[in-house]
Amino acid sequence: KNEVEQSPQNLTAQEGEFITINCSYSVGISALHWLQQHPGGGIVSLFMLSSGKKKHGRLIATINIQEKHSSLHITASHPRDSAVYICAVRLNTGNQFYFGTGTSLTVIP
Amino acid sequence: DGGITQSPKYLFRKEGQNVTLSCEQNLNHDAMYWYRQDPGQGLRLIYYSQIVNDFQKGDIAEGYSVSREKKESFPLTVTSAQKNPTAFYLCASKRQGGADTQYFGPGTRLTVL
Repeated sequence: KNEVEQSPQNLTAQEGEFITINCSYSVGISALHWLQQHPGGGIVSLFMLSSGKKKHGRLIATINIQEKHSSLHITASHPRDSAVYICAVRLNTGNQFYFGTGTSLTVIP
Repeated sequence: DGGITQSPKYLFRKEGQNVTLSCEQNLNHDAMYWYRQDPGQGLRLIYYSQIVNDFQKGDIAEGYSVSREKKESFPLTVTSAQKNPTAFYLCASKRQGGADTQYFGPGTRLTVL
């Protein structure tokens, strides 16, 4: 059983489309992270959320603590957004994180 | 520049040999982590350390060993007891406590021939 589930697994979009990636979790958490992994393998943190909504440029992340669900939205998608997006949750019992399997996004020009 | 470095980026070893992966950070972070990434699976925790000279096993520690003699360094040894060592290995660090994000190294891709 996976503590963190992401959907969809793969996503192909045309440049300019609005994109939504979903994350559901089943454990008690203190924070949820959205990460981006580029083809070379390096991972960068996009957002850390414990409630509500955050926006950075064309990226928006929301979380609903009661429903144990988070979404990552990308507005006006661009080919450079092509990457794997990973949802991770930090347990409220300590310093450990659980990771989703990632959503592979390809944006076509 | 502050950050996390891992070396080497690609590593090839013969079956049965131990190999040590390097992870160094100059972010003054107390907590450091080793993860393994396999195709179609989320990152899985191998070991983590919250302070120098102390570390805890993660979900898949069998066949691995670590040390934390310095705050900046958290090397991972993949031993011959690890049944399927070929994978992408990621090191991360974060400040101890608080609501803070993890910072990841560039990763080491280990292939055992």
